[in-house]
Amino acid sequence: DQQVKQNSPSLSVQEGRISILNCDYTNSMFDYFLWYKKYPAEGPTFLISISSIKDKNEDGRFTVFLNKSAKHLSLHIVPSQPGDSAVYFCAASALYRGSQGNLIFGKGTKLSVKP
Amino acid sequence: SQTIHQWPATLVQPVGSPLSLECTVEGTSNPNLYWYRQAAGRGLQLLFYSVGIGQISSEVPQNLSASRPQDRQFILSSKKLLLSDSGFYLCAWNRGGNTEAFFGQGTRLTVV
Repeated sequence: DQQVKQNSPSLSVQEGRISILNCDYTNSMFDYFLWYKKYPAEGPTFLISISSIKDKNEDGRFTVFLNKSAKHLSLHIVPSQPGDSAVYFCAASALYRGSQGNLIFGKGTKLSVKP
Repeated sequence: SQTIHQWPATLVQPVGSPLSLECTVEGTSNPNLYWYRQAAGRGLQLLFYSVGIGQISSEVPQNLSASRPQDRQFILSSKKLLLSDSGFYLCAWNRGGNTEAFFGQGTRLTVV
C-alpha cells in the first residue's frame, strides 16, 4: 500500500511558466516532507523540505506548500527552466516512538520544460 | 563537507552469481545509512537501513542482505542473484530523525 503518491507520472511545461508538482500521502503520522530531483543514472539530490508545523517554505524559484487537512503537498517552480527537466520525487517521514524517520518516497513525476 | 561514495556504477551479473555493492560516507560520524532500489517504472523502495555498526533493519523480504562492518561503510549483498534483482541501487545517509538524506550516484545492476 503506497503511503506517498504522485499520481502524475509526467508533466510538460513551457519555459518561463510555472511548474506544479503534486503529492498526496495517507499516513497522518508523517511530519516532515521533502522534494528531490533526479537525473537519469544519478542519485537524487535534495531540493527543499517542509515541517508539518509550516504550510509554506520557499527557496529561490522553489516553493513547497503543505495542506495537512488534505494530506497534500505541492512543489512550485517559478519560472521553469529547461535545466529543471528531471524526475521529481516527493518523500515523507515520521518521527515517533519506534520510528527511525526513514524517508518514504513516491513514484516520481517526470518534468519536461520546453524552450 | 560530507561525501558519499558508491561503487561500481554499473554491473552486469549472471543469474545465480553473488553480489557485493559497497557504500562509504566521509565527513560525518554515526550516520544513518540506507539502501534503496529504483526498479523500472517504480519509485524509490527502501530495502535496508542501519542506525549503527552491526544494526540492520530490513523493510521488505527479499533475496538481498546488508551489513555494516564499520561506522561509515554499508554493504549490500546477495548469495545468488535473481533476474528480479535488476534495478538501480542507491545508498544514502542522514543524521537520523527528520532530516534530509543524501544519496550516492547509484549502481545500475543488470542480472542476465
